[in-house]
Amino acid sequence: SAVISQKPSRDICQRGTSLTIQCQVDSQVTMMFWYRQQPGQSLTLIATANQGSEATYESGFVIDKFPISRPNLTFSTLTVSNMSPEDSSIYLCSVEAATDNEQFFGPGTRLTVL
Amino acid sequence: GDSVTQMEGPVTLSEEAFLTINCTYTATGYPSLFWYVQYPGEGLQLLLKATKADDKGSNKGFEATYRKETTSFHLEKGSVQVSDSAVYFCALSVNTNAGKSTFGDGTTLTVKP
Repeated sequence: SAVISQKPSRDICQRGTSLTIQCQVDSQVTMMFWYRQQPGQSLTLIATANQGSEATYESGFVIDKFPISRPNLTFSTLTVSNMSPEDSSIYLCSVEAATDNEQFFGPGTRLTVL
Repeated sequence: GDSVTQMEGPVTLSEEAFLTINCTYTATGYPSLFWYVQYPGEGLQLLLKATKADDKGSNKGFEATYRKETTSFHLEKGSVQVSDSAVYFCALSVNTNAGKSTFGDGTTLTVKP
């Protein structure tokens, strides 16, 4: 299994500002994933972050709005840029297990944009 | 593409009642199937999984059987407790899809004493 921590756990931000969310894993992993969970909804994959290369974004998500860094095999950041109230969500970091394709999730970052 | 369809919620049960949450899927390859649980204020955690047809995943009294013929993975528990109140997500992952998982919409379960 993998233990994942995220910082901050929650934040309240003003419209037009940016927030960077950190994700730390207790073991080296090839791929890390960033999800968004809007209130009362399921998880939507934002992007896949591989170490040493640019992140791969899903349809509807762009690098200018959600820049991602992946400086090493245990750490990644997601920035939510130029925020609007529609960005209010829980943002979750996850990694894939070595076998069986299950995923381990961080506790999430609860973001509220005013 | 891949998709997961879950029984709509919310579901409200009395303690010790029987629980079924339906889940069906479509996948382009041979998927592994999962149920994740999200307790209030927490992230998702794996509840159980099955990686091939007819496998039964089980954990904490919950069970689900991988039914390839009906493309289903229904979650069951014989006697729910108040502590089972949470949101339950059915999900699949296909080896050829770069490790990505596809999630259902989630079903909120509330168990009343």
